[in-house]
Amino acid sequence: TQLLEQSPQFLSIQEGENLTVYCNSSSVFSSLQWYRQEPGEGPVLLVTVVTGGEVKKLKRLTFQFGDARKDSSLHITAAQPGDTGLYLCAGAKSGGGADGLTFGKGTHLIIQP
Amino acid sequence: DVKVTQSSRYLVKRTGEKVFLECVQDMDHENMFWYRQDPGLGLRLIYFSYDVKMKEKGDIPEGYSVSREKKERFSLILESASTNQTSMYLCASSSAGGRVGEQYFGPGTRLTVT
Repeated sequence: TQLLEQSPQFLSIQEGENLTVYCNSSSVFSSLQWYRQEPGEGPVLLVTVVTGGEVKKLKRLTFQFGDARKDSSLHITAAQPGDTGLYLCAGAKSGGGADGLTFGKGTHLIIQP
Repeated sequence: DVKVTQSSRYLVKRTGEKVFLECVQDMDHENMFWYRQDPGLGLRLIYFSYDVKMKEKGDIPEGYSVSREKKERFSLILESASTNQTSMYLCASSSAGGRVGEQYFGPGTRLTVT
């Protein structure tokens, strides 16, 4: 089983601050997804990155896929209380089937007003 | 808008009961999945299905079975519920033509076994 390590596990910051969460592995992935999950709900897909070095932006969220396609980061600028949630990364191995998806354990993010 | 629905948001069952969790998707997706989510352990794949009447074991299939009689519906069955099956259960679906990691999740069923 491939591992995806997410860090930090927990992060609590004030509204308006910037933050970065990381998703690291020793394995190469064909694509990597980021999800956000709010309490009592299922994860919601935010973005997919596919190409090494790829950067995608979603409003104040910036996602980057590492050059070697083994790691990824999520940067939030000027965090808002609405950004609070559990952020999950998931990596799919090349040629893998549905069981080839590996989830990280998540980063619990709290943005305090 | 894509939609995955689960039959119950909260469920309380007694040890030894047979439990059915239902999941329905309206996106005509080929792939469907059942996960459980526990604090500190993340999401773990229980079973998945590529097609009607097809099923494959995931990482933790023991104590569970599944049924997929129709494309849009995937059921998870706990044959004899035990307290260690208390968890959040998440159903997901994805298109066979899309990326395997791009899954659409239901709202989850929080199951408590007493």
